[in-house]
Amino acid sequence: QLQLQESGPGLVKPSETLSLTCSVSGGSITSSGFFWGWIRQPPGEGLECIGSINYLGGTYYKPSLNSRVTISIDTSKKQFSLKLTSVTAADTAVYFCARLTVRQLPDSWGQGTLVTVSS
Amino acid sequence: EIGLAQSPGTLSLSPGERATLSCRASQSVGTYLAWYQQKPGQAPRLLIFDASNRATGIPARFSGSGSGTDFTLTISSLEPEDFAVYYCQQNSHWPTFGQGTRLEIK
Repeated sequence: QLQLQESGPGLVKPSETLSLTCSVSGGSITSSGFFWGWIRQPPGEGLECIGSINYLGGTYYKPSLNSRVTISIDTSKKQFSLKLTSVTAADTAVYFCARLTVRQLPDSWGQGTLVTVSS
Repeated sequence: EIGLAQSPGTLSLSPGERATLSCRASQSVGTYLAWYQQKPGQAPRLLIFDASNRATGIPARFSGSGSGTDFTLTISSLEPEDFAVYYCQQNSHWPTFGQGTRLEIK
């Protein structure tokens, strides 16, 4: 059974870079029919897709976040990562990693990790 | 960016009753519409994709319908474990989610 697990700092200072890693187990990260992505949910609010990457390194980013987001993949480690620069309090959220279909439909999720942006 | 408006915001029903949740898109998404269930402290779980297809392991009491801009998730007879927040999501263009419908026990 596919499992995804987020890891990274739970507290980031304003203007700094948020960095998270997702480890994939129980399945292949090099499947051609899938993307690997990040979705966030501010406390008490709805869900927002940040971006995704396939095993060849092809990426999709949310247009309004494009200038601050980088998603990368390390297939040898079965991991993919998120970097979000110049964070503000508005970036405080639970960050989920997920497997997405080729049409960007998340069909398997990690448990999520809360990242708070605060000095 | 395509907006998704879910209604009602909160739905209060009793176990055994039928639940009908709505999702309206700001422009046509064809049938590229999914439904998710989220319980407190958990990740969302995919219920329905492509408007009407149940995901693997989802009970038959969950059904989806609609196309274009108007979609419905129906739960035919509520079980205690169905009380949660439900989100619709479109993946016709850059994926976006609705604001959610909270299904609570009456």
